[in-house]
Amino acid sequence: QSALTQPASVSGSPGQSITISCTGTSSDVGGYNYVSWYQQHPGKAPKVMIYEVSNRPSGVSNRFSGSKSGNTASLTISGLQAADEADYYCSSYTSHNDLDVVFGGGTKLTVL
Amino acid sequence: QVQLVESGGGVVQPGRSLRLSCAASGFRFSGYAMHWVRQAPGKGLERVAVVSYDGRQKYYVDSVKDRFTISRDNSKNTLYLQIDSLRPEDTALFFCARIPKNGDQHYWGQGTLVTVSS
Repeated sequence: QSALTQPASVSGSPGQSITISCTGTSSDVGGYNYVSWYQQHPGKAPKVMIYEVSNRPSGVSNRFSGSKSGNTASLTISGLQAADEADYYCSSYTSHNDLDVVFGGGTKLTVL
Repeated sequence: QVQLVESGGGVVQPGRSLRLSCAASGFRFSGYAMHWVRQAPGKGLERVAVVSYDGRQKYYVDSVKDRFTISRDNSKNTLYLQIDSLRPEDTALFFCARIPKNGDQHYWGQGTLVTVSS
């Protein structure tokens, strides 16, 4: 039940692109395509931005994209905007059972 | 539209118990597994418990196994979390959430705050 590993913080200037990594194991990120990414603004509930590794819910900007290689998933945000400043969490289903989800420790994105 | 509304939080003394509730609406509650996720002040998300759609399977993070009990009443479209022997480190915002394996229908409530303090 170890948390997935994310960098504590990333930053970028408006208009730039950033990538947040999420490293797990073959029992979670590497073994399944059930990786999601959430955006959380202070005092708010998390909002799904990417599901099943690389799919975007309707209404989420195409500036957000997801990918996976081996045991590491990544979230890329292009054309950074001030409103993107938030905490981002990855999550993955695991092999422990059919219901278990593990989260990453979260990454604080600062738009300079 | 889908709504998840948590309640039952508050300020409680260490060692006491609390029952959190999550009222669901706008979807077929009985068809989905449901999660409780907590967030300590300034910290990240931690899934503490999950229950299968029919209530038969329940899983907990190791740190709460002996003190937290998740349950559901599908006839009332309500999810519960019983927390016993509360500790100061249980202070957190508790979210109920539907986090499906497939699809984009992820839903979270706004959370209920539990503060454990003497």
